[in-house]
Amino acid sequence: EMQLVESGGGLVQPGGSLRLSCAASGFTFSDHQMEWVRQAPGKGLEWVGRIRNKANSYTTDYAASVKGRFTISRDDSKNSLYLQMNSLKTEDTAMYYCTRYYYGLDVWGQGTTVTVSS
Amino acid sequence: DIVMTQSPDSLAVSLGERATINCKSSQSVLYSSNNKNYLGWYQQKPGQPPKLLIYWASTREAGVPDRFSGSGSVTDFTLTISSLQAEDVAVYYCQQYFVTPRTFGQGTKVEIK
Repeated sequence: EMQLVESGGGLVQPGGSLRLSCAASGFTFSDHQMEWVRQAPGKGLEWVGRIRNKANSYTTDYAASVKGRFTISRDDSKNSLYLQMNSLKTEDTAMYYCTRYYYGLDVWGQGTTVTVSS
Repeated sequence: DIVMTQSPDSLAVSLGERATINCKSSQSVLYSSNNKNYLGWYQQKPGQPPKLLIYWASTREAGVPDRFSGSGSVTDFTLTISSLQAEDVAVYYCQQYFVTPRTFGQGTKVEIK
C-alpha cells in the first residue's frame, strides 16, 4: 500500500523556523516528483511547491507566497521528503500535506499541522 | 498564474439526483503535443486529506465509482456525479497541473437536499 506520513508540525512563533518531514512507503520514491500542499483552517487548498526526481535534476518550484522562505528537499536513500520553513508568518498556519505527483496528485498523507502564533 | 474558478460554491442535491460542478481555467491547460488536459478533480471529506478522483480531465482514478465522471477541454471542465449518494457529501476541487504554480479552484461544497 502506498503511504505518505508527515511529521514535524507544531506551534512556532512568528519569525521562527520549522522542518517538516514526509516518509514514503509502498512505491519507488526516487522515481517520483513530490509536492507539498497546504490548507489553512476552514480554507481551500494551496500548492506550496515541488521537487522533481533525480532524472530531472531535483529541480524545485515554489508558490510566490513562500518563495525565499521555504525550501523543499529530499533524501531518496531514506524515502523522505522535507519542507524547511523559515521566517514563518501567521498566515503560514495550516495543515501541510505531502503528495506524490503522477497524473495529478494521486497519493496524499494525512497531514501535519503548523500553527504560527505568539 | 492560471486562475481556476469553480461554480457553484455550494450545491444541495437530493439523493439519487445528478450533481454538476463546473471549473474554468484562465488559460488553456491542454498540451497539444499529447492532446491531454492537465486537469484533476479531488474530493475532500471532513477531517480527511483530499483524494484524487479524476485526472487528465476525464480519466477516473482506480477504485473511484463510475457515478463520477469528468468532461471538458482547454479551459472549461465539468465534474458530474450521476446519482448522488450520502457518502459523496464533500468539498470538490479542480486543479491544473499544466504549469507551476499548480493552482486549485476555490472548492465546491456538495450537500444532501
